[in-house]
Amino acid sequence: EPEVTQTPSHQVTQMGQEVILRCVPISNHLYFYWYRQILGQKVEFLVSFYNNEISEKSEIFDDQFSVERPDGSNFTLKIRSTKLEDSAMYFCASSEQGRNSPLHFGNGTRLTVT
Amino acid sequence: EDQVTQSPEALRLQEGESSSLNCSYTVSGLRGLFWYRQDPGKGPEFLFTLYSAGEEKEKERLKATLTKKESFLHITAPKPEDSATYLCAVTNSGYALNFGKGTSLLVTP
Repeated sequence: EPEVTQTPSHQVTQMGQEVILRCVPISNHLYFYWYRQILGQKVEFLVSFYNNEISEKSEIFDDQFSVERPDGSNFTLKIRSTKLEDSAMYFCASSEQGRNSPLHFGNGTRLTVT
Repeated sequence: EDQVTQSPEALRLQEGESSSLNCSYTVSGLRGLFWYRQDPGKGPEFLFTLYSAGEEKEKERLKATLTKKESFLHITAPKPEDSATYLCAVTNSGYALNFGKGTSLLVTP
């Protein structure tokens, strides 16, 4: 069964450094998403992406965050200057259709900012 | 503000002991309610989508139902492999899923 793959599975970085989290969505999916889950808290929406542009973003997704689809298979989340509070599990997801369509999630990248 | 509240926070069942998980929501213009299963250290795994009150979906030992204010996930004769956190999420007119905090289910042999 096709799946969403994320790399790395764990990333440790120092405060103020830039990190790039990578995702390969399911190949025939057109909509891509990033969510995050801080330890012990609920899964939170960050951003959705379709047709090479952001379709929706949350208040969390401020100027330190950016997303990109650099080629036909990868989807990335960049955090420009990491803060301690950015430590979380970051999940990439994709869907075949847009609104109301089931999302398929990867297994996440655990980001630890020290 | 849209809200999703799941109860109980944690549930411990004996194998074979049926029960229900609750998801209460307040959202303007519900377009879909989703149930996911999340195992430790993994991403959410899609289970069901419900779109309108009265709708029901089933998969193996799981059955999801929807009313205008809440959804239930019924687990019939659970097995230890059903142990996981079950997440409920809603969407309105946008792309974002608004998740609840989940119910952590433990099924003991």
